[in-house]
Amino acid sequence: DTAVSQTPKYLVTQMGNDKSIKCEQNLGHDTMYWYKQDSKKFLKIMFSYNNKELIINETVPNRFSPKSPDKAHLNLHINSLELGDSAVYFCASNRGQVNTEAFFGQGTRLTVV
Amino acid sequence: AQSVTQLDSQVPVFEEAPVELRCNYSSSVSVYLFWYVQYPNQGLQLLLKYLSGSTLVKGINGFEAEFNKSQTSFHLRKPSVHISDTAEYFCAVRTNTGNQFYFGTGTSLTVIP
Repeated sequence: DTAVSQTPKYLVTQMGNDKSIKCEQNLGHDTMYWYKQDSKKFLKIMFSYNNKELIINETVPNRFSPKSPDKAHLNLHINSLELGDSAVYFCASNRGQVNTEAFFGQGTRLTVV
Repeated sequence: AQSVTQLDSQVPVFEEAPVELRCNYSSSVSVYLFWYVQYPNQGLQLLLKYLSGSTLVKGINGFEAEFNKSQTSFHLRKPSVHISDTAEYFCAVRTNTGNQFYFGTGTSLTVIP
């Protein structure tokens, strides 16, 4: 059973398009995250939800909008895609307690052409 | 504010040789420390974590790390590396008051046959 699953794994799209990435976790965790990994492998937090409530909203363009329909799902919608959005996007989840680790999905490699 | 520094961006090492990957952190509050491994085209997988207690923690695949509070370090070690250890390694911290994980910039370990 996959603990944190993301779809799609690969996404190639043209500039200006709108796309979504879906994430689901079956661990019963309360907290979910979106991270962006750039070409230099640097991981940057984008958003975090706890029980469907937004708790971290880092400085990202407002073209990026997270949505959490329930605590097991956290989707990422991106409007008007730009070349600089090309990256690997990781979803992660955590029990919410500070002394616990995060579990990561396999990543979605987004390529904007 | 918290920060994580991984001084070595690339570490080449011969097979069966020992390796140490360095991690230093900065925080004004207590932290929990983690090492993750990322194999090519995969998500991040937890190697080990320090939460409290013994400062020497053992993880999967023969890795261990030592928490040194006075030096604010959490270096990762393995006495004898294998080809399959070739991957990207990330150090991460989480404070006892915050919601997010702060990642270092990663160390690319290449094991040479």
